[in-house]
Amino acid sequence: ETGVTQTPRHLVMGMTNKKSLKCEQHLGHNAMYWYKQSAKKPLELMFVYNFKEQTENNSVPSRFSPECPNSSHLFLHLHTLQPEDSALYLCASSPRRGWDEQYFGPGTRLTVT
Amino acid sequence: QQPVQSPQAVILREGEDAVINCSSSKALYSVHWYRQKHGEAPVFLMILLKGGEQKGHEKISASFNEKKQQSSLYLTASQLSYSGTYFCGTANTGNQFYFGTGTSLTVIP
Repeated sequence: ETGVTQTPRHLVMGMTNKKSLKCEQHLGHNAMYWYKQSAKKPLELMFVYNFKEQTENNSVPSRFSPECPNSSHLFLHLHTLQPEDSALYLCASSPRRGWDEQYFGPGTRLTVT
Repeated sequence: QQPVQSPQAVILREGEDAVINCSSSKALYSVHWYRQKHGEAPVFLMILLKGGEQKGHEKISASFNEKKQQSSLYLTASQLSYSGTYFCGTANTGNQFYFGTGTSLTVIP
């Protein structure tokens, strides 16, 4: 595998379910990001991790819970989501946290029913 | 705090040129440009750092006017492969990063 991978690519979940999104980067980068992309809205930065430490949380509701066990893996745990949380969730990585160029994964298309 | 891009959408014929603008209300440290094709992830094009340096990438180049907090992306002799949505991302001096509203570019034969 090369670059940034995300699984699953598509996810449908009910509002009472618990699921997790997984991201893995094979680039040797130290910073990882979660973004939300909704139709007709700009990319919204959700979380930033640098060397496994969370450095940014942009007022994201607690029903989204990130986890970064090491510099190569990033998870987004989901529980009791709302229909308005349906979106494309993109993971990205960069060499450093100082807003270097970011390399994006293909995203997970999430639908909350 | 989110930068504003203009135009929102543009349609070009192959070979024509286009300019996409990105404007911020905050003092900027850097501007990033990305392109996202339909159904794909955004792809990094270039970064411009404070200092007004112009950069180029094949027939796509960009400039950064830090005094005006603006950046422009120039696409010359457009090709069909240039179609997609272009996003600027701005890192301001408060160490915050925001993506712009996006510009949809369609190149037709």
